[in-house]
Amino acid sequence: DAGVTQSPTHLIKTRGQQVTLRCSPKSGHDTVSWYQQALGQGPQFIFQYYEEEERQRGNFPDRFSGHQFPNYSSELNVNALLLGDSALYLCASSLRTGSLANQPQHFGDGTRLSIL
Amino acid sequence: KQEVTQIPAALSVPEGENLVLNCSFTDSAIYNLQWFRQDPGKGLTSLLLIQSSQREQTSGRLNASLDKSSGRSTLYIAASQPGDSATYLCAVRSGGSYIPTFGRGTSLIVHP
Repeated sequence: DAGVTQSPTHLIKTRGQQVTLRCSPKSGHDTVSWYQQALGQGPQFIFQYYEEEERQRGNFPDRFSGHQFPNYSSELNVNALLLGDSALYLCASSLRTGSLANQPQHFGDGTRLSIL
Repeated sequence: KQEVTQIPAALSVPEGENLVLNCSFTDSAIYNLQWFRQDPGKGLTSLLLIQSSQREQTSGRLNASLDKSSGRSTLYIAASQPGDSATYLCAVRSGGSYIPTFGRGTSLIVHP
């Protein structure tokens, strides 16, 4: 049973460029959330996708956008990259049943994004 | 706005010690609190999830308690082992939103 997979594992970009990160949820899961984790910090919620729509969004600018595909996989896009966007980007999947607050989330190993 | 603080930030102990990691939060109107483990360069692994109506949860050598009124949770690790070395994070889901707020974590090293 495959867990959450993310690609690529590492990425180096320069300021002003655009980047796309990918996530495949755990088998049977239909909801994907994205988090940004700066070095030495806890993860910060970016947004969550369910039924191919953004359902909740954290305090991130519009440069951060996403997409969910019919097979439940998801992409995170970041435009006009800044040095401060350097971080580990984590994807988590869950099954949307019952209370949203009680969905157990399974995390991938993340994509390490470095901005030069 | 919910704020989550974890103390200590780092801990180094010899193998076999019993440990207590602390997590405090500012808004007691929570849905649940979850403890995670994160190995270097890896994602998060869920350890224990405590609902707001519960006082504690146990899994093997781990025990997590929750005191909503005081805004605190503790993670107790019994008989620590080198394999327990990792960063431990707590996350709180507050009323009105499912969005979790994470602390910065406690970095634990258990040396043989």
